[in-house]
Amino acid sequence: NAGVTQTPKFRILKIGQSMTLQCTQDMNHNYMYWYRQDPGMGLKLIYYSVGAGITDKGEVPNGYNVSRSTTEDFPLRLELAAPSQTSVYFCASTERGNSNQPQHFGDGTRLSIL
Amino acid sequence: GEDVEQSLFLSVREGDSSVINCTYTDSSSTYLYWYKQEPGAGLQLLTYIFSNMDMKQDQRLTVLLNKKDKHLSLRIADTQTGDSAIYFCAGGGATNKLIFGTGTLLAVQP
Repeated sequence: NAGVTQTPKFRILKIGQSMTLQCTQDMNHNYMYWYRQDPGMGLKLIYYSVGAGITDKGEVPNGYNVSRSTTEDFPLRLELAAPSQTSVYFCASTERGNSNQPQHFGDGTRLSIL
Repeated sequence: GEDVEQSLFLSVREGDSSVINCTYTDSSSTYLYWYKQEPGAGLQLLTYIFSNMDMKQDQRLTVLLNKKDKHLSLRIADTQTGDSAIYFCAGGGATNKLIFGTGTLLAVQP
């Protein structure tokens, strides 16, 4: 039972570098989400997708890009890393929206921008 | 936009009941959720309540919803040290875009 798998678990980037945070789920969920969690704060939605080929912005999309070419994968791209993007990033998926179906979360990627 | 607020910290003794509170501004959420986050881990769904319900009980967990006051609470009976974690309330709409509260750190003293 893999569920939602995020890689890498930790990463340190220099300002201006780029990287892709990987997220894959094996539950055939249509809905996928990327959140960031800053210290002592709740989760803020960055981007979400309701199915392959469809993505939409959340609360804090600036500085990020996503794609959803398959149902399983939902990578998050940082093009020009900035210190303000230091955070813990969580990917989640769910079977359908507006329902009692829970969002299943990955274990997170801890990213530091120095 | 939606705003969800929680108190930051709650300390209880083992065996006591814990009550974690949450207030929200947007009443359009169809479901309201409680998630638990243990150190270094992702969020795990504890329980949820449909917006037309007032109360839901699930073993040691009781959720109360006061729609008039836009207030949600989670009661944990017989709190154990394993319940120590951060608890988040969240509301979701049509696409299940969850808006999370800031989280309440529950510390259970033995």
